[in-house]
Amino acid sequence: NAGVTQTPKFQVLKTGQSMTLQCAQDMNHNSMYWYRQDPGMGLRLIYYSASEGTTDKGEVPNGYNVSRLNKREFSLRLESAAPSQTSVYFCASSALAKSTDTQYFGPGTRLTVL
Amino acid sequence: QKEVEQDPGPLSVPEGAIVSLNCTYSNSAFQYFMWYRQYSRKGPELLMYTYSSGNKEDGRFTAQVDKSSKYISLFIRDSQPSDSATYLCAMSGEGGADGLTFGKGTHLIIQP
Repeated sequence: NAGVTQTPKFQVLKTGQSMTLQCAQDMNHNSMYWYRQDPGMGLRLIYYSASEGTTDKGEVPNGYNVSRLNKREFSLRLESAAPSQTSVYFCASSALAKSTDTQYFGPGTRLTVL
Repeated sequence: QKEVEQDPGPLSVPEGAIVSLNCTYSNSAFQYFMWYRQYSRKGPELLMYTYSSGNKEDGRFTAQVDKSSKYISLFIRDSQPSDSATYLCAMSGEGGADGLTFGKGTHLIIQP
């Protein structure tokens, strides 16, 4: 039981390049989330998927797209990377999209955009 | 004004001390309050969870919520070097389908 896994662990991009961050969970959770964590800013929600087939914007969605590929997988895409997107990205999942449900986090992807 | 305020620290205390970590918030709709612990270069993990006002105890950890003051606290008794981490408060309203609102985190250092 791996929980929430993320790939890659590290990535360096040049401005304008694109990439997709992958996330998978094996806990049969319905809801999945993407956060970014920046020094002095805390964790901020980018997008979330309350259930398979649905996605919604969070606090900071600009410059990102997401795909809920199936119940297990939720990917985050940067179409044209910018230095402001340098951050640590965390994927999380919960059984249901409810306040009472614990969110389980992956180990993170450290992204640097030059 | 951010919705959740948390002193980033670092907060350095000797082993065995009682640690007090705090967050204030402005959104009166918040009903669910959590504390996450995050070790360096790891993802956050849930430590404590409380609903509305009151106290909750789990081993050496006690979470307190004072909704009238919009103030939450996490106390760690008999602190250990292994407690050294960043502690993030998080909260949400009813429903909570849109994720959690996090504080910036407090970096805690327990000196052996």
